[in-house]
Amino acid sequence: SAVISQKPSRDICQRGTSLTIQCQVDSQVTMMFWYRQQPGQSLTLIATANQGSEATYESGFVIDKFPISRPNLTFSTLTVSNMSPEDSSIYLCSVESGGYEQYFGPGTRLTVT
Amino acid sequence: QKEVEQNSGPLSVPEGAIASLNCTYSDRGSQSFFWYRQYSGKSPELIMFIYSNGDKEDGRFTAQLNKASQYVSLLIRDSQPSDSATYLCAAQGNDMRFGAGTRLTVKP
Repeated sequence: SAVISQKPSRDICQRGTSLTIQCQVDSQVTMMFWYRQQPGQSLTLIATANQGSEATYESGFVIDKFPISRPNLTFSTLTVSNMSPEDSSIYLCSVESGGYEQYFGPGTRLTVT
Repeated sequence: QKEVEQNSGPLSVPEGAIASLNCTYSDRGSQSFFWYRQYSGKSPELIMFIYSNGDKEDGRFTAQLNKASQYVSLLIRDSQPSDSATYLCAAQGNDMRFGAGTRLTVKP
């Protein structure tokens, strides 16, 4: 399985600011995903990020709020823009490796005050 | 909406017992199924995947799939306190759908 790192691991941000989360993989992967997990909840897919194409966003998530970059096959960023307390959550990146198996990074715990 | 349903629990079993975790899915087009373990404050960890009807065993874990009934289960034999976690079921059709998870507690 791939080894995935995320930065930062946690942050406390003020309302109205933006935070960029980085996801780095130790091998080249085609499919990368960004999820959100709110306390006590399951995973919600934000978007799928394929290298060389625009990210595909799920219903309820828009590019202006969650811009994503995927400059190469080992790296992606997710920006949470114009944050509000409702954006407080854990943000996870995952990669598809092997068959359809997804492996998750350690997550970024975001608190918006 | 294509859903994956799990009993939220908590499920409590004594140490050494078999823990049985169940999951149903609504998308008949789902082809691949996954079980993730998530410890509190940690990210999900893939522990089993199954693509074909029947049983798949890996150590103390057995995944069972019945596509006709749209049912997936995970059995954990000889449960240990370290198995206490939330277990997420996921089904892959056109996209990956996760259940809400079942919290398992193994009591010494």
